[in-house]
Amino acid sequence: DAGVIQSPRHEVTEMGQEVTLRCKPISGHNSLFWYRQTMMRGLELLIYFNNNVPIDDSGMPEDRFSAKMPNASFSTLKIQPSEPRDSAVYFCASSLGAKTEAFFGQGTRLTVV
Amino acid sequence: GNSVTQMEGPVTLSEEAFLTINCTYTATGYPSLFWYVQYPGEGLQLLLKATKADDKGSNKGFEATYRKETTSFHLEKGSVQVSDSAVYFCALSSDSGYSTLTFGKGTMLLVSP
Repeated sequence: DAGVIQSPRHEVTEMGQEVTLRCKPISGHNSLFWYRQTMMRGLELLIYFNNNVPIDDSGMPEDRFSAKMPNASFSTLKIQPSEPRDSAVYFCASSLGAKTEAFFGQGTRLTVV
Repeated sequence: GNSVTQMEGPVTLSEEAFLTINCTYTATGYPSLFWYVQYPGEGLQLLLKATKADDKGSNKGFEATYRKETTSFHLEKGSVQVSDSAVYFCALSSDSGYSTLTFGKGTMLLVSP
């Protein structure tokens, strides 16, 4: 398996624009996580899906952020409208569920100017 | 809820020195415990894991023992190399139904020649 695949690797956008980050989890994994990493706040869990259903979205910062998982092999994280404070590295990870390790993608570095 | 506490960094060592990074956790039940490593500009990679009390995880000269009595999972390496310079994250995955990964804040390790 190629591992967790995220796209794009880098995204530069202007404030106010819509940004969509994409993730393909490892085949057969039933849990998917979106994390955000910044120097100031470290690694933050944004949302967690189990069997394509959002289980915990308490980490989503505000209504500008939304995430979907239409099927077991694809998820998106959307920011609309984007703001400079959204600049961060966004990671997607997948796992086989409770007590198992998560495998991380390479991340998307988002810069909002 | 679940939580992971690890020592703050940076930890600065000379090559061939002994490394210990402390990690303690709070969780109900019997979680699995993990150490992840993040090299500059990359995603998180699983370094080692332990799934039950007294298990020892090991990889690339690193090791950690699951100590339930002290709720700890300290990372050790007998002789560090410059190439070990990275950020190390302790994490747990609980054994209860819907389970997310809970991470510590990360510890930066800097090894000088």
